[in-house]
Amino acid sequence: GQNIDQPTEMTATEGAIVQINCTYQTSGFNGLFWYQQHAGEAPTFLSYNVLDGLEEKGRFSSFLSRSKGYSYLLLKELQMKDSASYLCAVPPSGGYQKVTFGTGTKLQVIP
Amino acid sequence: NAGVTQTPKFHILKIGQSMTLQCTQDMNHNYMYWYRQDPGMGLKLIYYSVGAGITDKGEVPNGYNVSRSTTEDFPLRLELAAPSQTSVYFCASRTSPGLAGGDTQYFGPGTRLTVL
Repeated sequence: GQNIDQPTEMTATEGAIVQINCTYQTSGFNGLFWYQQHAGEAPTFLSYNVLDGLEEKGRFSSFLSRSKGYSYLLLKELQMKDSASYLCAVPPSGGYQKVTFGTGTKLQVIP
Repeated sequence: NAGVTQTPKFHILKIGQSMTLQCTQDMNHNYMYWYRQDPGMGLKLIYYSVGAGITDKGEVPNGYNVSRSTTEDFPLRLELAAPSQTSVYFCASRTSPGLAGGDTQYFGPGTRLTVL
């Protein structure tokens, strides 16, 4: 099986930087996904990390350390529209076709 | 491309009734998924399919059934609905892992189902 742990809620100020952490336990590793989900909407894909290190995509970056079972999503220059839930997901070993999600971190951006 | 479409958007079902949630994708994706999301919670995988004619259980399959007769369609059937099945249901699809874009799951807009 697999276990994913994320903080439940976070609050950050507009224009600031926020880091959302995700720790996971899984036998075997098939990559780690980050999704964004605004309230009442479907999740949308943000990033997929397979190798260790930092991957940057505009204001969003995702970091992975496979040896530590740890990832984070870094959001820079926060905007009000970044208020959403951020879901970390790790496919289980042997089940690459299955993608199961953590409970997500609800981020509130305040003025 | 319409992407992933789901119908209906909302539905109220009585306890013991049955219904089918429809999901269609026009991206020729082999992989399709059904998730449920309870308020304030993450997504739970109900069933998934890796191609037409092939389906398998996810984390929470009890009370549901699926079929995949075509690449495009992946309907979810609720038999004998119970209040515990009140949730938002998301369908998703992705191309095969290893292919370009295979790491991205595309979600439909969801079906909000209430069982009373």
